[in-house]
Amino acid sequence: EPEVTQTPSHQVTQMGQEVILRCVPISNHLYFYWYRQILGQKVEFLVSFYNNEISEKSEIFDDQFSVERPDGSNFTLKIRSTKLEDSAMYFCASSVGGQSYGYTFGSGTRLTVV
Amino acid sequence: AQKVTQAQTEISVVEKEDVTLDCVYETRDTTYYLFWYKQPPSGELVFLIRRNSFDEQNEISGRYSWNFQKSTSSFNFTITASQVVDSAVYFCALSEHSGYSTLTFGKGTMLLVSP
Repeated sequence: EPEVTQTPSHQVTQMGQEVILRCVPISNHLYFYWYRQILGQKVEFLVSFYNNEISEKSEIFDDQFSVERPDGSNFTLKIRSTKLEDSAMYFCASSVGGQSYGYTFGSGTRLTVV
Repeated sequence: AQKVTQAQTEISVVEKEDVTLDCVYETRDTTYYLFWYKQPPSGELVFLIRRNSFDEQNEISGRYSWNFQKSTSSFNFTITASQVVDSAVYFCALSEHSGYSTLTFGKGTMLLVSP
């Protein structure tokens, strides 16, 4: 069964550093998403991406964050100048055509900011 | 605005007991989709079910069953004859038809099944 692949599985970074989280969505999917889960809390929507542009973003997704699909296969989330409160599990997801088709989530990247 | 409430923070049962996880949602859309996900200790999100707002039939999949009631805005999940491997956090989620299919998750219910 096709999978959404996320790398790395765990990343530790120093406060103030930039990090890039990488995702390879399922190849025929058109909609891409990033979600975040702070430890012990609910999963929260960050951003959706369609047709090479952001289609929707939450209040969490401020200027510190950016997304990119640099080469037609990878989908990246960049966090500039990381803060301690950015420590969380970050999930990438993709969908072939929106919610009626369902989502496939990756296994997540656990980001620890120290 | 859409909202999902999972009032049960944690449930503990003994193996072979049946357990029901509650989910109540709020939405203004008439077309929407409801989901359940399982998050085992390893952390990934495992898709369990998707249901659209026009399909109120209950669904059974092995030991799992779901009861969707639009009249009470609820989408409850029952595990029959629970097993230790069912121990996980279970999330209910909602996606409205309008917008770009974003999911709104509940806070999750942690299910602990002891032998």
